[in-house]
Amino acid sequence: DTEVTQTPKHLVMGMTNKKSLKCEQHMGHRAMYWYKQKAKKPPELMFVYSYEKLSINESVPSRFSPECPNSSLLNLHLHALQPEDSALYLCASSQDEGGHQETQYFGPGTRLLVL
Amino acid sequence: GENVEQHPSTLSVQEGDSAVIKCTYSDSASNYFPWYKQELGKGPQLIIDIRSNVGEKKDQRIAVTLNKTAKHFSLHITETQPEDSAVYFCAASNNQAGTALIFGKGTTLSVSS
Repeated sequence: DTEVTQTPKHLVMGMTNKKSLKCEQHMGHRAMYWYKQKAKKPPELMFVYSYEKLSINESVPSRFSPECPNSSLLNLHLHALQPEDSALYLCASSQDEGGHQETQYFGPGTRLLVL
Repeated sequence: GENVEQHPSTLSVQEGDSAVIKCTYSDSASNYFPWYKQELGKGPQLIIDIRSNVGEKKDQRIAVTLNKTAKHFSLHITETQPEDSAVYFCAASNNQAGTALIFGKGTTLSVSS
């Protein structure tokens, strides 16, 4: 099973709202990622968690706040977003054993619209 | 840092023809090269990957070749079918776990019947 699940599938929010995106995997992977993808563009890395610790933050604005409550779950908390933050938000996971790069498996994404 | 160039940006073929997508990378430390297929409204799906200790890998109608000296790798799809229509992304990374995949800009493949 190589499934990464994400909820919700779609989200519409105003600029003053607070919302959260959720990601879950049960493959025993210890690295989890958030990517942002604009239309007709490749995914861009936002955050990486390795063994539940934040290991990479690609200079993402503080209105995006990641959280990794346990090895299977990854959240992205959203607050005071701007219309330009509208995009497809993708979660991915990988094995992360022995320091070697393993295959990243992506979820279906949450399509976010900020009004 | 790593930079991945992908060509062509769009590719149209007739059903049954072959399709080839090419990528070049800049960082000689990169040694893992996956290819993802993304259909409309879905997340990227891994279709094949290759590591730098291998020159070629094949999985049914899909093959990937890697030329480390020239720093380029290619995706080959034979006997294309309409369901192969999608956006294809190549990517590169080094061997460190939890590091970023650097993606090419993508190729929109259209297979007409």
